[in-house]
Parts: sequence; structure tokens; C-alpha cells
Amino acid sequence: DGGITQSPKYLFRKEGQNVTLSCEQNLNHDAMYWYRQDPGQGLRLIYYSQIVNDFQKGDIAEGYSVSREKKESFPLTVTSAQKNPTAFYLCASKTSISYNEQFFGPGTRLTVL
Amino acid sequence: AQSVTQLGSHVSVSEGALVLLRCNYSSSVPPYLFWYVQYPNQGLQLLLKYTSAATLVKGINGFEAEFKKSETSFHLTKPSAHMSDAAEYFCAVSDEDDYKLSFGAGTTVTVRA
Repeated sequence: DGGITQSPKYLFRKEGQNVTLSCEQNLNHDAMYWYRQDPGQGLRLIYYSQIVNDFQKGDIAEGYSVSREKKESFPLTVTSAQKNPTAFYLCASKTSISYNEQFFGPGTRLTVL
Repeated sequence: AQSVTQLGSHVSVSEGALVLLRCNYSSSVPPYLFWYVQYPNQGLQLLLKYTSAATLVKGINGFEAEFKKSETSFHLTKPSAHMSDAAEYFCAVSDEDDYKLSFGAGTTVTVRA
């Protein structure tokens, strides 16, 4: 089945540590996205990539980094510079056709201890 | 940048009653509009989308939405609520480049037996 996988489902991190969240898709989508979700705030865009080896900052990129070396993969690193990293992180992907929707993965819940 | 307002962060309905979730957007050009549903600790699933074809859009699980340009609205309705409709619902509007989405803050629906 085609879809988006995110791992791990739950992740715990100590303060001061970097952590990388995985996102893989087998939908052959060109564009991929990372969102952060906090209660009552909807989804906020962290980074997005429209094509391999290229990505752009979203609205809340500070303290995060990404790479897009393969079409299928778009990992997100939460660095120690991110002041409040505890949140639910969602990865999404989309075709290059403008009116097509974004497809979402199941999410990773990150907790900083 | 586009913005989306969802009126009411929480809606409670009785089983069998009408579900009405409100969404207003700001856009200088005809947008693409989406409604997503999220169950606890899961990703987002597309309910329906407006792509400038019919103004009344039918989606999955008996939901529909009507695009009203004069009111810049895209309200979501379901004639008869079911217990399985308890979830969080997000309205989203595409950006001018059609690659990014702006999400509303979400509306949580609870269904009373």
C-alpha cells in the first residue's frame, strides 16, 4: 500500500540533545512537508521541499533542520536550539499538481524530559 | 499569505443532530480549500476539497461543504452526527503558489449519545 511512514511514534529526548525524526513516502510525490502541532494552534509549517536537494523554511524553522537527498525521504532534525520542542510532528507529501491535497503520515510525538 | 478562521474551538452535538463547522478564509485570488479530520494521536485525513468546480462539495463519511465566494466561507456540514464523528476538524486554504497550506486552529467535535 502507498503511504507515508513516520518513525518513531513516540520519542523522548533530554534537554540539549539533537534528535532526528524520520519521514518516508512511497507515493512518488515531489513535495514534502513538516508541520508542528500544538493544542489549540492548528498546524504550523516548519520546512517544505518541492524537489530533491532543495527545501525552504516555513513559518517556524528556527531550531530545526532538514535534508532532501532522496525523493522518498525528508528527515527532520530537532536541534538543541529549539526552545520548546515538545509537540506532535506531522509529515506530509503532495504531487506537483496544484489543486491536489497533501497526504499526512501518522505523526511522531516528541517529549523533552 | 492566506489565513483561515474556524469559529468555535469546540462543538458538542447529539447523535443524529446536524453537524455544522464554520470556516472563513482570506484570499485575494480564488483559493483551493480543504477540510481534514484528525482522530487522537493520528495524522490528518482528507474529508473533501474545493478546486473551483462545483461549489457544493461532497466528501467521505457523509460530510459536505459549500463554497461561498461572497462570504469567503467554506462551512462543513453533516445532516446526522454519528458517534464515530468525534474528532478534530481542520479547514485549510492553499497559498498563492499552491504548494503551501494555511490551517485553521481546528474544531473539536464531541458527540453525545
